[in-house]
Amino acid sequence: DVKVTQSSRYLVKRTGEKVFLECVQDMDHENMFWYRQDPGLGLRLIYFSYDVKMKEKGDIPEGYSVSREKKERFSLILESASTNQTSMYLCASSLTAPRTLTSTDTQYFGPGTRLTVL
Amino acid sequence: RKEVEQDPGPFNVPEGATVAFNCTYSNSASQSFFWYRQDCRKEPKLLMSVYSSGNEDGRFTAQLNRASQYISLLIRDSKLSDSATYLCVIKNGFQKLVFGTGTRLLVSP
Repeated sequence: DVKVTQSSRYLVKRTGEKVFLECVQDMDHENMFWYRQDPGLGLRLIYFSYDVKMKEKGDIPEGYSVSREKKERFSLILESASTNQTSMYLCASSLTAPRTLTSTDTQYFGPGTRLTVL
Repeated sequence: RKEVEQDPGPFNVPEGATVAFNCTYSNSASQSFFWYRQDCRKEPKLLMSVYSSGNEDGRFTAQLNRASQYISLLIRDSKLSDSATYLCVIKNGFQKLVFGTGTRLLVSP
């Protein structure tokens, strides 16, 4: 069964703290993604990775960085948390289609981490 | 203009009703189209892909109109368990999915 896990369901941090959000998938997927979801704005892509040690900026990378040292793990880092980073953070993964080398259509999501920055 | 636009709803329907949602997209080069479902406080999950010829999965029918750049989702014989937010999703380029903000459906007894 497909499984994407995130390290915390709820997290409360203070402004200026460094925050690590961890995501692990056990499906041997090449592609991993970090989104944030806010009311009225939907899911917005922060960063994604299509291979170990590879990363690509999404639509809203400012204030975030990522790390992919192992295939199954993709970490999102908030170097200095700010109140406008209070949000639901969702990790997802997908396969790379073997012939086209593009990601397959289905992204599998983790349960999300609700981060509050005070 | 947003890349994907949906009516946020909520759509309130009784059990057994038929309900339809539309979604418009702005990028005519969009390659693939999907509907994801998101239950309250849960993660999104793929409901169905949307093919050019239209496709059906049980009570759910998806349609794509490339000329007018919209996709639709029709739900027949609504069940209480269909209550959720339905996300319109398009795929551009190599990896990226672009999500709409979702349409909320409430099915009542």
